[in-house]
Amino acid sequence: EVQLLESGGDSVQPGGSLRVSCAASGFTFSSYPMSWVRQAPGKGLEWVSAISGSGGSTYYADSVKGRFTISRDNSKNTLYLQMNSLRAEDTAVYYCARRVLSTGRTFDIWGQGTMVTVSS
Amino acid sequence: DIQMTQSPSSLSASVGDRVTITCRASQNINNYLNWYQQKAGKAPSLLIYAASSLQSGVPSRFTGSGSGTDFTLTISSLQPEDVATYYCQQSSSIPDTFGQGTKLEIK
Repeated sequence: EVQLLESGGDSVQPGGSLRVSCAASGFTFSSYPMSWVRQAPGKGLEWVSAISGSGGSTYYADSVKGRFTISRDNSKNTLYLQMNSLRAEDTAVYYCARRVLSTGRTFDIWGQGTMVTVSS
Repeated sequence: DIQMTQSPSSLSASVGDRVTITCRASQNINNYLNWYQQKAGKAPSLLIYAASSLQSGVPSRFTGSGSGTDFTLTISSLQPEDVATYYCQQSSSIPDTFGQGTKLEIK
């Protein structure tokens, strides 16, 4: 079964750091670009970051550029998001999602999400 | 960035009704338009990709249409299990952007 499972969400203070992870199974992980999408409580979906299958190309939303770093370990089938200098507005459920290029670059598989709360 | 505008923001309809949600892009995105369904407390799931292609496993009562800047998602006969928030998303260029969502309820 194709599956994504996030972990690492926690409550942190403003200015703090956190790394969330996404473990993939059931497909050839290295063949797919991946993204992080977040959803603040009661709000809509916001794309955060993307990474190519090899990990050689990365992309960020302006709201997180310079603070967040996306990476992947294809030997461990795991995607990461390192979040530094966290702000209250980063509070959200963070989803990882698989990107499929052959179907118009859709996000066809999503994880269940992990909650990050930034509060003093 | 490409802005995506959905309407309406909320909708109440009866079981069996035909329901239409619209999505407008701020510039031409060809057919790089996808629709997602998000049920309460769950992750989004893909319904329609490339504007009009039905994702595997999605009931045929869901259809998508449009190209360029104007798109629609139609549910031909609303079912109780369709209660959810629906989002459009453009994948024409990074950053991917989503509509603000349409919350669909049963009357």
